[in-house]
Amino acid sequence: EEQLVESGGGLVQPGGSLRLSCEASGFRFNTYDIQWVRQVREKGLEWVATSGSSGDTHYQRSVRGRFSLFRESFDNSLFLQMNSLRAEDSAVYYCARAIYSSSGYYFDLWGRGTVVTVSS
Amino acid sequence: DIQMTQSPSSLPASLGDRVSLTCRASEAISNYLNWYQQQAGKAPRLLIHAASKLHSGVPSRFSASGSATDFTLVISSLQPEDFATYYCQQSYRIPWTFGPGTKVEV
Repeated sequence: EEQLVESGGGLVQPGGSLRLSCEASGFRFNTYDIQWVRQVREKGLEWVATSGSSGDTHYQRSVRGRFSLFRESFDNSLFLQMNSLRAEDSAVYYCARAIYSSSGYYFDLWGRGTVVTVSS
Repeated sequence: DIQMTQSPSSLPASLGDRVSLTCRASEAISNYLNWYQQQAGKAPRLLIHAASKLHSGVPSRFSASGSATDFTLVISSLQPEDFATYYCQQSYRIPWTFGPGTKVEV
């Protein structure tokens, strides 16, 4: 079964750091772009960052310079290192697989999410 | 950034109703438009990609259309599991952006 599982969320003080993990199973992880998308409680979805299959990375303006992406191919995992965290970074963080085809670019497989709370 | 808007924000409906949800992009995005469903407490689920293509496993009561700036998602006959929030998302240009969602509720 194809699956994504996030972990690493928790409570952190403003200015602190967290590392989120997204572990993939059931598919060839290295051949796909993987996204992080977050959702503030009861609010909408916001794209955070993309780890491209060819090694490229892209970040939302509000997290650029604070968040960074790392892939560990040997264990099919993607990490989101989050530094200098702010209260507004508090959200459920989802990782999602992206498909790029003649039918466009879309997120077809999502994890269940991990909760990040930034508070003193 | 490309801004996505959706209307209505809330849509009261009943079982068996046909409902229509609208999404608009702030600039033309061709057919680079996806629709997701999010049931309460769950992760989003892909319904439609490329504006009108039904994702594998999605029931045929869902359909969608549109291009450039205006898009529509239609549910032909609401089922209990369809009461959820629906988001559109553009994949034309980074940063990928989502609409604020339409909540279909009883």
